[in-house]
Amino acid sequence: QVQLQESGPGLVKPSQTLSLTCTVSGDSISRGGYYWNWIRQHPGKGLEWIGNIYYSGSTDYSPSLKSRVTISVDTSKNQFSLILRSVTAADTAVYYCARLSNVGGYWGQGTLVTVSS
Amino acid sequence: SHYLTQPPSVSVSPGQTASITCSGDRLGDEFACWYQQKPGQSPVLVIYRDNKRPSGIPERFSGSNSENTATLTISGAQAMDEADYYCQAWDSSSTVIFGGGTKLTVL
Repeated sequence: QVQLQESGPGLVKPSQTLSLTCTVSGDSISRGGYYWNWIRQHPGKGLEWIGNIYYSGSTDYSPSLKSRVTISVDTSKNQFSLILRSVTAADTAVYYCARLSNVGGYWGQGTLVTVSS
Repeated sequence: SHYLTQPPSVSVSPGQTASITCSGDRLGDEFACWYQQKPGQSPVLVIYRDNKRPSGIPERFSGSNSENTATLTISGAQAMDEADYYCQAWDSSSTVIFGGGTKLTVL
């Protein structure tokens, strides 16, 4: 069973950088065949795709966040990470990591990140 | 399909059939999937590849996708099916798009 777990600070100050890591178990990122995604959900709102990465390091980002986002992968640790720069209160959300494909999706439990001074 | 449009809310009486639509330009040319999300929980896949049910998902959940519209159908809706439902598709080989979500009320 594939499991994903987000980790990182729950509180980030405005203008600073949000950094989260997703640890994968039950599958190997380097096996290929899947895209490893970051998705967020503002309080009471819908799902917003942030971007994803393939095991090769190829990335794709939401146009609305592309200028502030970097997603990277560490296949030796079976982890992938999210960096979101210059955060504001509008970036307060639950952040999910997920393995998505045409044959299914596995999601982490999500982690609430609050942007506040 | 750059955007996927869902109705904000759908209501159904217990035991009746609920249909939730997801519209997007040429959506039928791609695979669509559906997620169920209950308050405080992560989304759970209920339909993938338009009409496939993952293991453990009740048979009352079914899906279809044709032309510009994908549809999630819940036959004989139960109180436990009350949740938010999101459609999801791929806008290219790697770009993910979500619908805005539909709140299903069973009353």
